Amino acid sequence: NAGVMQNPRHLVRRRGQEARLRCSPMKGHSHVYWYRQLPEEGLKFMVYLQKENIIDESGMPKERFSAEFPKEGPSILRIQQVVRGDSAAYFCASSVAVPTYNEQFFGPGTRLTVL
Amino acid sequence: KNEVEQSPQNLTAQEGEFITINCSYSVGISALHWLQQHPGGGIVSLFMLSSGKKKHGRLIATINIQEKHSSLHITASHPRDSAVYICAAMNYGGSQGNLIFGKGTKLSVKP
Repeated sequence: NAGVMQNPRHLVRRRGQEARLRCSPMKGHSHVYWYRQLPEEGLKFMVYLQKENIIDESGMPKERFSAEFPKEGPSILRIQQVVRGDSAAYFCASSVAVPTYNEQFFGPGTRLTVL
Repeated sequence: KNEVEQSPQNLTAQEGEFITINCSYSVGISALHWLQQHPGGGIVSLFMLSSGKKKHGRLIATINIQEKHSSLHITASHPRDSAVYICAAMNYGGSQGNLIFGKGTKLSVKP
């Protein structure tokens, strides 16, 4: 049973380009979360999605960032017109049901570097 | 003041020592998570607990809901336990998906 998968593991972009980060949840999990870890800082919640729905995006920057979790395929975190401050590790997690009482399993992360 | 506070920030131990990492939180929670982040960066979920105590191998996690405090203990520590340990609170009544993270405790176990 494969765990949460993220790709790419490392992504380098120049300022102004777009970054697309993918997350495939564990089999049977329909709840996905994205977190960001800035250098030398703790993890911060970004967005919580269920299939085809955004449940909570209170941690997502209002501009340039978007997330989706389509009926088929992985969840995508998209960052448009990247800036140096977007350089961070982005982690995805998934759970089998609502997060209130269900464990979240984390992927290996995507390390984004913006030149 | 952060809603989730961990102590100590850094911890160095000799192999074999008993280790305790503390986590205090100020929000109402439905559950508290302990996570381990290795130098390579990957995150592993160690425990999720909402009351009492859980044990897995040499790791023990406890939580006191009334005191809003949790501890992670490592018995017979080993160099391979060297990692950053993070506690995270699932905020009850707040945003549905919002885990609030502590800043982590960096543990180094010397042989």
